[in-house]
Amino acid sequence: DAKTTQPPSMDCAEGRAANLPCNHSTISGNEYVYWYRQIHSQGPQYIIHGLKNNETNEMASLIITEDRKSSTLILPHATLRDTAVYYCIAFYAGNNRKLIWGLGTSLAVNP
Amino acid sequence: NAGVTQTPKFRVLKTGQSMTLLCAQDMNHEYMYWYRQDPGMGLRLIHYSVGEGTTAKGEVPDGYNVSRLKKQNFLLGLESAAPSQTSVYFCASSYTAVLNTEAFFGQGTRLTVV
Repeated sequence: DAKTTQPPSMDCAEGRAANLPCNHSTISGNEYVYWYRQIHSQGPQYIIHGLKNNETNEMASLIITEDRKSSTLILPHATLRDTAVYYCIAFYAGNNRKLIWGLGTSLAVNP
Repeated sequence: NAGVTQTPKFRVLKTGQSMTLLCAQDMNHEYMYWYRQDPGMGLRLIHYSVGEGTTAKGEVPDGYNVSRLKKQNFLLGLESAAPSQTSVYFCASSYTAVLNTEAFFGQGTRLTVV
């Protein structure tokens, strides 16, 4: 599975868009990009995933570059409850079902 | 809808003691996973199961055993606890092998081995 690189921490003002980058330059063509977040010490929560096209759901948008070497998670109107650690994961199930987690980005949404 | 439930939520063990962590899911998911999370490290996969009666090793399986006798339950056992197993343990389940689907996580079990 491809290694992902994320900044260790970011800040965002409440009500503004939070743009969280992720680098996955070694991603292969059949690997999906997943985003999860972990609020305080709770269990991780799924946010969104994508392969090639940009994706949007009720929580966030995922923008994947055309060469798929990087992606950005966008929280359009960040709230204080979005303060969490955000994990970007590149994963292909295939015969290897090991989802490799990095250290993520600690996002602080400030009032 | 309970989702994924872990018991217990907290436990303190003495070195050498044994215990079993229980994970139960009510979503009829085939795949279940046990992770551990330590400070300064990402989640690491201990064992996983692709269906009732099956188990497989993850990244860090040593010192742990698992069983999946019923589809809805995935048990993680520590036969002889060591201080290095002090960690927060998370169970997760998914409909398929986390491909085109999301994984659902429990709220964690905080284990301290003294």
